[in-house]
Amino acid sequence: GEDVEQSLFLSVREGDSSVINCTYTDSSSTYLYWYKQEPGAGLQLLTYIFSNMDMKQDQRLTVLLNKKDKHLSLRIADTQTGDSAIYFCATRRGGGNKLTFGTGTQLKVEL
Amino acid sequence: SAVISQKPSRDICQRGTSLTIQCQVDSQVTMMFWYRQQPGQSLTLIATANQGSEATYESGFVIDKFPISRPNLTFSTLTVSNMSPEDSSIYLCSVEGGLAGGTYEQYFGPGTRLTVT
Repeated sequence: GEDVEQSLFLSVREGDSSVINCTYTDSSSTYLYWYKQEPGAGLQLLTYIFSNMDMKQDQRLTVLLNKKDKHLSLRIADTQTGDSAIYFCATRRGGGNKLTFGTGTQLKVEL
Repeated sequence: SAVISQKPSRDICQRGTSLTIQCQVDSQVTMMFWYRQQPGQSLTLIATANQGSEATYESGFVIDKFPISRPNLTFSTLTVSNMSPEDSSIYLCSVEGGLAGGTYEQYFGPGTRLTVT
């Protein structure tokens, strides 16, 4: 079946880089997403990558995809206190609409 | 991206009652979905809301418990029927396609936080 795993917590200092990791099992995953959820809010789509790419950069965000190892990461450069949130990775099969979400990583940014 | 609103934003309900949650989008979208996020958990897709026809439910979710309507391209409702404390969750609407944004980009509403006592 489809399974997406993330570590539960990550703590970084303001100004450092954060790297949030995700592993998945479904080799048919065609699109891979990163969402951000702040307390009491819905999910904000940060970025996504197509499975034929291995890297995507968008301002402070860099997504790396290792399709062979089924490993996805999100790097946030110059992490700020406003980046404190839960980050979810999600996968999607080609031709399907369903997103399968990971367990979420709580990022805490300390001064 | 589209602006998505949900009503109510939160509610406390008694067991055995039903609650209807509304999702309104400010532009026409191709796809609308309903997800559940149980306390401290990830999101699980309940169903795809289809305009003018019955919703498509995921394994473990049934129409009698979660009836869904989608009368047009900007609006959908999810009803949580005969509630029990296990239904306490955040219910989120999401949209994709049309004027909401690119295909394969799924955007979420702010969620409805439901507590069943």
